[in-house]
Order: sequence, then structure tokens, then C-alpha cells
Amino acid sequence: QQQVKQSPQSLIVQKGGISIINCAYENTAFDYFPWYQQFPGKGPALLIAIRPDVSEKKEGRFTISFNKSAKQFSLHIMDSQPGDSATYFCAARLKLVFGTGTRLLVSP
Amino acid sequence: GEEVAQTPKHLVRGEGQKAKLYCAPIKGHSYVFWYQQVLKNEFKFLISFQNENVFDETGMPKERFSAKCLPNSPCSLEIQATKLEDSAVYFCASSQPREINYGYTFGSGTRLTVV
Repeated sequence: QQQVKQSPQSLIVQKGGISIINCAYENTAFDYFPWYQQFPGKGPALLIAIRPDVSEKKEGRFTISFNKSAKQFSLHIMDSQPGDSATYFCAARLKLVFGTGTRLLVSP
Repeated sequence: GEEVAQTPKHLVRGEGQKAKLYCAPIKGHSYVFWYQQVLKNEFKFLISFQNENVFDETGMPKERFSAKCLPNSPCSLEIQATKLEDSAVYFCASSQPREINYGYTFGSGTRLTVV
């Protein structure tokens, strides 16, 4: 069922640094690409999302870059903070298909 | 309400016992989805509903898993004769039709432990 590949599996970034997580998909019929943030013991919470007709979307410190021809999209977290430490999942919709997750640790 | 409510938060069952999980979607959301998250964080799609009708059940293990969304009742996911490999966190999500809003809202999950 895995149609969305995510990397890296884990990431350590210093406070104030940039966190970058990448995803690649296969199905060109996907029409919505969200990123979810999950804290331990909680459900995934929608962080930011993009449609394939847009190449970039920015909300605060979070930016999605989307490359339709390469079938890739990435999440950039600027000025990463310890509170950003969580597991991040990319996903793609028709029926929502998740990547395998990236555990981010932001060191103080 | 504005959140997806899942109950119970934790459920422990002996192998072979039945497990039943509940999900109350956000009012006004016509789609409900069930996902299974196993230890390696992978989300496995199980089933989705459009109102009380099964929309997509391609992820459901047919032998022991069943699900319902009946009017005026929480949706439910039932596992007959649980196995050790069913131990996971089960998430429910709800959404409006894609024409209105693409976003899914997830509940906090039910952690099922089969011993």
C-alpha cells in the first residue's frame, strides 16, 4: 500500500536551525498533500497542506515546497524550536496515504 | 463538537477476545476513516464511510474486522478473536466532502493491547 516514501526516518536539528523532511509519491491522481504533526500519545494534527497546482505554500515557520514533475514535496521548518520535536508525516490524498514518518528532535 | 472523540483511550484484551472501539466524528462531517498505526509508526488505512455507507473497505482484514456507522450513534470498529498482531493504536478521522474541505481531523486514538 506504500505509495508515499518519506525521508529521513529521524532528524536532529539545533535550535534555530532549518528542519527539512522530504516525500515522494507515485500516484499522479493524488490531489492534496498534507503534513501532519504527531506528539506522543496524540493523534496526528494537520500542520499545513498544498494542492498540486501550487509550487510553494508558507504558513509562519512552516513551508511546503512542491515539485509536480518530480513527484516530490518537502516540509521546511525554519527557526526550529524544541517544541517542534515530534513525529512528522507527509500524506497524499485521494484516500489519505501516509508516509512512514520522521521523528524530529530539536536540541536546545 | 469540534473534535473527533474516540473511546476508550486504552483497551487490553486477551488473545481470542473481542475488542470494540468507538468514534464520534465531528458534527457535519460526512466521512469517517479508520487507520491502524503500528509500532513502526506506519498508518494502515482500514475502512472509510460516507455517512452510514461503506465508502472504501480495501484495507479491512475481512475475517475478523468489521465496522459500522449508524445514524445517531458513534461509529464502531470491532475485532473478533483478537490476535497479538492486532496490538496497535487505532485512529479515527472525519472530514467533509473534498469539494468543501480537504482536511481530515483525527481523534486521539485507542491503544489496543492484546496479551
